[in-house]
Amino acid sequence: GESVGLHLPTLSVQEGDNSIINCAYSNSASDYFIWYKQESGKGPQFIIDIRSNMDKRQGQRVTVLLNKTVKHLSLQIAATQPGDSAVYFCAEKRGLGSQGNLIFGKGTKLSVKP
Amino acid sequence: EPEVTQTPSHQVTQMGQEVILRCVPISNHLYFYWYRQILGQKVEFLVSFYNNEISEKSEIFDDQFSVERPDGSNFTLKIRSTKLEDSAMYFCASRTDRGTDTQYFGPGTRLTVL
Repeated sequence: GESVGLHLPTLSVQEGDNSIINCAYSNSASDYFIWYKQESGKGPQFIIDIRSNMDKRQGQRVTVLLNKTVKHLSLQIAATQPGDSAVYFCAEKRGLGSQGNLIFGKGTKLSVKP
Repeated sequence: EPEVTQTPSHQVTQMGQEVILRCVPISNHLYFYWYRQILGQKVEFLVSFYNNEISEKSEIFDDQFSVERPDGSNFTLKIRSTKLEDSAMYFCASRTDRGTDTQYFGPGTRLTVL
């Protein structure tokens, strides 16, 4: 069926290393993608987004890459810090006809070792 | 920085009782959403609301659910007769209509149905 999913449920990295969190989507009609960070007991916090007419977008220490050919999305976090420890969700917005509701993936738990 | 707020943070209720979850979206936003997250699972879309009416809803959002914008600031989710399986975190989100699809989430209400 159509869904947004994640390749790895957990990721453990050393402080200072770069992190890469991956996401696969199956709906080619999706025109917008977004990454959220969720800390324990809190709501999803916006990190970065990208539209389907782009391949790459950079923010502060974060980069999102979109490969529409293989329907793959990734989040890169540079110089990972302990405060980056959280669950990261990717989400997609379906294209034409959608009022904007997001379809979320299952989440990847990022643990940063000091 | 403006943010979405939600009350209460935790609601405990008996099965069959009605609950109302409250949200105050960001003030200049016009699209409003409710999502839920069962413990340990992904975030699921419930309903979107725009121009004082529901614009889209998921199959989860059955006749037991309703939404309302009773005034210029609040956005509520009502569950008429709660079931055990309604226990979850409920998140409100909002976005502006000014050329962005970015949704900003509130901190959530943890609903526990006993």
